[in-house]
Amino acid sequence: NAGVTQTPKFQVLKTGQSMTLQCAQDMNHEYMSWYRQDPGMGLRLIHYSVGAGITDQGEVPNGYNVSRSTTEDFPLRLLSAAPSQTSVYFCASSYSTGGKLFFGSGTQLSVL
Amino acid sequence: SQQGEEDPQALSIQEGENATMNCSYKTSINNLQWYRQNSGRGLVHLILIRSNEREKHSGRLRVTLDTSKKSSSLLITASRAADTASYFCATDNPGAGSYQLTFGKGTKLSVIP
Repeated sequence: NAGVTQTPKFQVLKTGQSMTLQCAQDMNHEYMSWYRQDPGMGLRLIHYSVGAGITDQGEVPNGYNVSRSTTEDFPLRLLSAAPSQTSVYFCASSYSTGGKLFFGSGTQLSVL
Repeated sequence: SQQGEEDPQALSIQEGENATMNCSYKTSINNLQWYRQNSGRGLVHLILIRSNEREKHSGRLRVTLDTSKKSSSLLITASRAADTASYFCATDNPGAGSYQLTFGKGTKLSVIP
């Protein structure tokens, strides 16, 4: 099992550009989520999904879009990148909501 | 908003010593989890303790939970240099209808060889 795979590992964007962070899991987990990690802030939940076709907002959803067309994939879209979105992004999955989370290795994003 | 808060923010100990980290939270929970993050890596799950449990062990890890004080502690015994990492507690918030995990800001542990 590969677990949770995130791509890319690093990305530099200019303000206003859009991009998609990819996340895939091969554990047949129903629950998937995206967090961002900023220095001194811990991890904050952006969006989550409890199954294919179902998504919901977390604590900091503004400027981000998600969709869940399959159980395996949960991409995160930045619609118009802003410097405030410079962060490390983690995708995580779990058998169930509130259960043990399996994390990807992260995407370090810089917006100039 | 963050539910859990770890204390201390940073901890430095000698190899072989025990390390204790604390987590306080604000509302009722179903379970509390501890995670480890090595520098530049994703988080790794360490242990989950349910609200009706008071203590749990896993190898050199011991976790306690006191729901009356809304607090938990993580004890790492006989620490090793490889334990150097940041440690996070995570809780849900069923009282607010949220089963999503909220993380604290973490304790940065340095184990000196």
